Amino acid sequence: KAGVTQTPRYLIKTRGQQVTLSCSPISGHRSVSWYQQTPGQGLQFLFEYFSETQRNKGNFPGRFSGRQFSNSRSEMNVSTLELGDSALYLCATRTSGKTDTQYFGPGTRLTVL
Amino acid sequence: AQSVSQHNHHVILSEAASLELGCNYSYGGTVNLFWYVQYPGQHLQLLLKYFSGDPLVKGIKGFEAEFIKSKFSFNLRKPSVQWSDTAEYFCAVNALHSGNTGKLIFGQGTTLQVKP
Repeated sequence: KAGVTQTPRYLIKTRGQQVTLSCSPISGHRSVSWYQQTPGQGLQFLFEYFSETQRNKGNFPGRFSGRQFSNSRSEMNVSTLELGDSALYLCATRTSGKTDTQYFGPGTRLTVL
Repeated sequence: AQSVSQHNHHVILSEAASLELGCNYSYGGTVNLFWYVQYPGQHLQLLLKYFSGDPLVKGIKGFEAEFIKSKFSFNLRKPSVQWSDTAEYFCAVNALHSGNTGKLIFGQGTTLQVKP
């Protein structure tokens, strides 16, 4: 099985711009979770999507949003970028059962200048 | 709020030394527990997991972890580390209070450096 894929792998943006990141899950996985990884805050949960619906949300401002398509692919969007949004954004996918494991993609490295 | 605490931020060991990384979480209900590893330049990979049953779980590459419910702990161990174990290790908890969720709460991570 192919693993979780994320595109693009690297992005450089300037403050005030917006960005869209994409995540394609492992075949058969219907749940997609997004995380932000920074040296200072570590790994923090952003949100989870299942069946095109947001099922869970972390403590991030409304500038962070996401969506999921009928093929389970997910996108996350960050509007009005700030310097502090520079991070590695990871998505993780799973089938959706209670004893499921989340499998992580390689991440998108976002740098905000 | 739920939290996960990893006691060791940076550990330096010589090859063949034994390893134990501490992980404690704050949540009184049912949890799924995980250890993930991030090798230099690679993405997060699952090392091992605990859902229920035998509290001693074995993972890949000779790692094991023990769930002690009374101590809210899930410590990672390896009897003899190798240089290739140099990586960052993350403990993660999935609290099942509201049913089935995909929210993992991570510890801050432990950087393990193994000297050859």
